[in-house]
Amino acid sequence: QAQLVQSGSELKKPGASVKISCKASGYTFTSYPVNWVRQAPGQGLEWMGWINTNTGDPTYGQDFTGRYVVSLDTSVNTAYLQISSLKPDDTAIYYCARDKGVYRFTHLHYYMDIWDEGTTVTVSS
Amino acid sequence: DIQMTQSPSSLSASVGDRVTITCRASETINSYLNWYQQHPGKAPKVLIYAASNLQSGVPSRFSGSGSGTDFTLTINSLQPEDFATYYCQQTFRTPRTFGQGTKVE
Repeated sequence: QAQLVQSGSELKKPGASVKISCKASGYTFTSYPVNWVRQAPGQGLEWMGWINTNTGDPTYGQDFTGRYVVSLDTSVNTAYLQISSLKPDDTAIYYCARDKGVYRFTHLHYYMDIWDEGTTVTVSS
Repeated sequence: DIQMTQSPSSLSASVGDRVTITCRASETINSYLNWYQQHPGKAPKVLIYAASNLQSGVPSRFSGSGSGTDFTLTINSLQPEDFATYYCQQTFRTPRTFGQGTKVE
């Protein structure tokens, strides 16, 4: 069945970088965009951005530009989120989620239908 | 950015209750609104997409309604497994903003 599997927890020092992977299986990877969502401890969900897995074009939320890079390796059906110059405020669970598109009354709607359990990134000196 | 405001932020309910959560967008988003459920320590799960469409496998006690700026998630006959946090999210325009969440306890 279709699933996403993320890389394991990371403990990083401030100023370091981290690269989280999200490997897809059970479906055609390039047919569905991949989203990234952040959840800080005890907080709500924040949409970070998504990547078109067919073209490789990323789109970032306004709060997630500069230090954040979303990329792909279609040869291994994997999306990546890299965060540089880490700060303690980057401590969070990072989720990848598949974007599914459906038509309703000629309008194309997207929703995140498959998620992994997330990757915990802890930034601490 | 489109702001999504949920109310209430939390509510207390009992098994068998009917629960209603509202979500208001800061501008019209037509029906580009999804609802997610999240249990502690777990990934979110989609319940409703395009405002009123039940995701496959989701119990029929969940329903969504609304269009434009005002939306509602209703849970009929609350079950023990429904105690969770619920989020709305607009997909009308990027960034695809979430509401702040409603905790059902």
